[in-house]
Amino acid sequence: DQQVKQNSPSLSVQEGRISILNCDYTNSMFDYFLWYKKYPAEGPTFLISISSIKDKNEDGRFTVFLNKSAKHLSLHIVPSQPGDSAVYFCAASERNFGNEKLTFGTGTRLTIIP
Amino acid sequence: GAGVSQSPSNKVTEKGKDVELRCDPISGHTALYWYRQSLGQGLEFLIYFQGNSAPDKSGLPSDRFSAERTGGSVSTLTIQRTQQEDSAVYLCASSPYYGNQPQHFGDGTRLSIL
Repeated sequence: DQQVKQNSPSLSVQEGRISILNCDYTNSMFDYFLWYKKYPAEGPTFLISISSIKDKNEDGRFTVFLNKSAKHLSLHIVPSQPGDSAVYFCAASERNFGNEKLTFGTGTRLTIIP
Repeated sequence: GAGVSQSPSNKVTEKGKDVELRCDPISGHTALYWYRQSLGQGLEFLIYFQGNSAPDKSGLPSDRFSAERTGGSVSTLTIQRTQQEDSAVYLCASSPYYGNQPQHFGDGTRLSIL
């Protein structure tokens, strides 16, 4: 049972335009959400997170939106740059007194076209 | 270095052999996690360590898998009698104790079972 779903395995976006990556979840106990970026042969790198008490968090070119009623979050990257080409993973955790084991989606491969 | 260090980076072994994978977390991080990523899949939680508390082993797929964390720092993941389905990238992450802190990942060990 996939509790975190990224339904788009790949996405291509022109350089300078906005990239929108989507993520859906089914577990209503999730209360903390993260996006990680992964290059080949490297470990995932933390990008941005959002707590369930918020609906938006922004950090430079990256913004994460959370719609709790729809159990949906999205990552916006604007403007997109060639270095953004990577696999992006959505992850979620439950409030469990410090044990934030993460449940990951299967990832979306983003390609930025120069 | 300042990041999570994993060794070896690659391991090829024959079916039925035992393997040990090592993780050195970031200094001062009390939480340590193991995940694995099989081909085309997201990261799958395996086990979590926090200080002197009993580890959360709920993600270990079988009793062939075990892990230790010595002195609250270095961790070893052991897979006994390896099977071909154990082939994956095994990733270690660490984080500070305080809740909702992002986990920092190592570059992983790519395990191939022949």
